Amino acid sequence: DAGVIQSPRHEVTEMGQEVTLRCKPISGHNSLFWYRQTMMRGLELLIYFNNNVPIDDSGMPEDRFSAKMPNASFSTLKIQPSEPRDSAVYFCASSPMDRAEETQYFGPGTRLLVL
Amino acid sequence: SQKIEQNSEALNIQEGKTATLTCNYTNYSPAYLQWYRQDPGRGPVFLLLIRENEKEKRKERLKVTFDTTLKQSLFHITASQPADSATYLCALGSNYGQNFVFGPGTRLSVLP
Repeated sequence: DAGVIQSPRHEVTEMGQEVTLRCKPISGHNSLFWYRQTMMRGLELLIYFNNNVPIDDSGMPEDRFSAKMPNASFSTLKIQPSEPRDSAVYFCASSPMDRAEETQYFGPGTRLLVL
Repeated sequence: SQKIEQNSEALNIQEGKTATLTCNYTNYSPAYLQWYRQDPGRGPVFLLLIRENEKEKRKERLKVTFDTTLKQSLFHITASQPADSATYLCALGSNYGQNFVFGPGTRLSVLP
């Protein structure tokens, strides 16, 4: 299995532009998580899907952020409009969630820089 | 609000010694606790899980303890090696991924 796939790996954009991050979870996993990691705030959970349905989006910072999971093999995180403070590494993780405490498998991350 | 602390931002130890990392939490009653390893430029990788009704778990050179009274987990790496140098994150969760929260991490450096 290729593991969790994220694209792009690096993104540089200018303030005000729309940014779309993509994630392909591990086949057969029914839960998907989006995280943001910065030096100041560490690893923060943004949103969590189970069977393609958003379960907890309380970590989404504001209306500029939106996430979708149209099917079991694809998810997007969109920032519109982007701001310099959105610069961070964004991770996608998936989990089979067959058990109550299932582990998460992380992708390599997308390093976003907003100028 | 929930708070997770990990003993120190960075920890340096000599090769061959035992590294002990601490994870403390407040305002939370987790069903389980996990430890992850993160190398620079990569995503976290799962190492060990311990449930609220378990006191200790071992895997090769790794050992985790969980004290729900003290609200603390200890993570030990015995016979440490330079290859163990990484950032170690603890994470707490309720059942089925609810309320899943990571600690800030401890950067471990094992010196040859």
